[in-house]
Amino acid sequence: GAVVSQHPSRVICKSGTSVKIECRSLDFQATTMFWYRQFPKQSLMLMATSNEGSKATYEQGVEKDKFLINHASLTLSTLTVTSAHPEDSSFYICSAGRTGRETQYFGPGTRLLVL
Amino acid sequence: GDSVTQMEGPVTLSEEAFLTINCTYTATGYPSLFWYVQYPGEGLQLLLKATKADDKGSNKGFEATYRKETTSFHLEKGSVQVSDSAVYFCALAINGGSQGNLIFGKGTKLSVKP
Repeated sequence: GAVVSQHPSRVICKSGTSVKIECRSLDFQATTMFWYRQFPKQSLMLMATSNEGSKATYEQGVEKDKFLINHASLTLSTLTVTSAHPEDSSFYICSAGRTGRETQYFGPGTRLLVL
Repeated sequence: GDSVTQMEGPVTLSEEAFLTINCTYTATGYPSLFWYVQYPGEGLQLLLKATKADDKGSNKGFEATYRKETTSFHLEKGSVQVSDSAVYFCALAINGGSQGNLIFGKGTKLSVKP
């Protein structure tokens, strides 16, 4: 149990376009979802925390207008990278947590390449 | 600020060899410590954790002991298998890890050869 999926697993887009990444909890209701970003050979960095039905909380230095997060249901959160640029190329990972449970469950990640 | 430092990889071992992946941390409070594993093509999975000093976390033959005096949480396994090939992440959290405040190390890639 506690499986989290991400779609797509890999995306290539042109500079200036927007890209949407989906994160789904397949067999549980995720009251909280988290979005991380990982550069090559670097740590995972938390970008934002989203709770179902409310606005996401962004970490310092993360542009909320560039990285739009929507947590419309207890099983789905989306991250939209707006007007993507090459410097946005990275590995984006989501995780999901359940109320009262300590563990986060991670998705497999989405690799974004902006040309 | 809080941080985690783990040994850089890749680490290549033969099957049945002894494994140690070093992890040290810096934290202002009293963190919980975690090891996550990421198998190829999959998401990070919690491998083990320890929530206070001298606690030992263990799972699947892996162990790590929370050493406050050396601020370390080294991962060990006595006899690795090919199926242990993965990337291992050390992490800390001040509030237990459920609220998104996990701080990760850079990850160490382990390759086990038959």
